[in-house]
Amino acid sequence: GAGVSQTPSNKVTEKGKYVELRCDPISGHTALYWYRQSLGQGPEFLIYFQGTGAADDSGLPNDRFFAVRPEGSVSTLKIQRTERGDSAVYLCASSLNRPPGNTIYFGEGSWLTVV
Amino acid sequence: SQQGEEDPQALSIQEGENATMNCSYKTSINNLQWYRQNSGRGLVHLILIRSNEREKHSGRLRVTLDTSKKSSSLLITASRAADTASYFCATGTTSGTYKYIFGTGTRLKVLA
Repeated sequence: GAGVSQTPSNKVTEKGKYVELRCDPISGHTALYWYRQSLGQGPEFLIYFQGTGAADDSGLPNDRFFAVRPEGSVSTLKIQRTERGDSAVYLCASSLNRPPGNTIYFGEGSWLTVV
Repeated sequence: SQQGEEDPQALSIQEGENATMNCSYKTSINNLQWYRQNSGRGLVHLILIRSNEREKHSGRLRVTLDTSKKSSSLLITASRAADTASYFCATGTTSGTYKYIFGTGTRLKVLA
């Protein structure tokens, strides 16, 4: 596609529910990133994929968070037993080949609100 | 945790003036990227500067990098109201992982 596409753009869920956020990277981009951004803060790294494998998942805050990229393209970020503190914008980004040195392109984000 | 810190946190200038934002970081980097963000949604890539480069230009943007001081600056010349946004630096480290660490951002307001 023309850019990184994220769905849904907005999601309101009740505390304790399960949520999936989807990211469709730019066609041909092998690297994919998930970030989380709270109001007034910079994006916080969650996980980085190179192809199908998670090359670095050190930013996932706890085991309620999980991400997959089974075919090396679309990725899904999964959050179990959501908490109010999970409310944030979840940003996905992709880049061509292996960074560093390649520009990473961001989607518009998925705004998650846990009530 | 955030590696980079932007300075100032907020900046308000008149249209036509220049805006300078600074970014400091802590560990060795391969490259540094600057991004703009409007209304808290998607980030727009502005410039990538590699660790062996000292200065890059793109239109009204000028980025410098001083690896000895672990700092970078973004200069926007002849600012416009449309430049009003938050600006972030992101560093790509040399630690063997390819994650980018973002700073806390500078909120720029350009008054017409």
